Amino acid sequence: EAGVAQSPRYKIIEKRQSVAFWCNPISGHATLYWYQQILGQGPKLLIQFQNNGVVDDSQLPKDRFSAERLKGVDSTLKIQPAKLEDSAVYLCASSPPSGANTGELFFGEGSRLTVL
Amino acid sequence: QKEVEQDPGPLSVPEGAIVSLNCTYSNSAFQYFMWYRQYSRKGPELLMYTYSSGNKEDGRFTAQVDKSSKYISLFIRDSQPSDSATYLCAFTNAGKSTFGDGTTLTVKP
Repeated sequence: EAGVAQSPRYKIIEKRQSVAFWCNPISGHATLYWYQQILGQGPKLLIQFQNNGVVDDSQLPKDRFSAERLKGVDSTLKIQPAKLEDSAVYLCASSPPSGANTGELFFGEGSRLTVL
Repeated sequence: QKEVEQDPGPLSVPEGAIVSLNCTYSNSAFQYFMWYRQYSRKGPELLMYTYSSGNKEDGRFTAQVDKSSKYISLFIRDSQPSDSATYLCAFTNAGKSTFGDGTTLTVKP
């Protein structure tokens, strides 16, 4: 079974530039999450999708971050304009139907963003 | 007060040692108690989870939950160099997970 795919793995940009990250979840996983992991911290939820609908985006800085999952499969997370404090690893995760209550998460390898 | 507090480490042990990793939490609504392992430059992977107080064993790993004290632990027996990683505790309520900040473990041959 293929895992969660993410790209790009690494990205370096100047502050105020824009960046986009892509995620393809495990086949059959209706729930998709984007997490931000700052160095030395645990993952923090940015947004949760169920199919192509948003379940929770309360922690997403909507003035600069946006995310979509148009066809209920892959997803894109965009940051515009980027700030220095956005330097982090952006993790995509998906959850099978059986994991809806347990919160069982399957993570991708992450996209590491450095903002200069 | 943070909802989840994890012993920060780092932790360095010799191969074969028993390792204890610990977290406390304050939210009584948490229903599932998870442990993830994260290798350097990789995403977290779920090791095990439990629902109730008590112990759950999986090979060399034992997860322990004490709901009355709001305290969870992960024990690793006969630790191996391949166990060197950051261990994250996580707590779930209504399908939403809250993570600790991780404990980095190094097992020296």
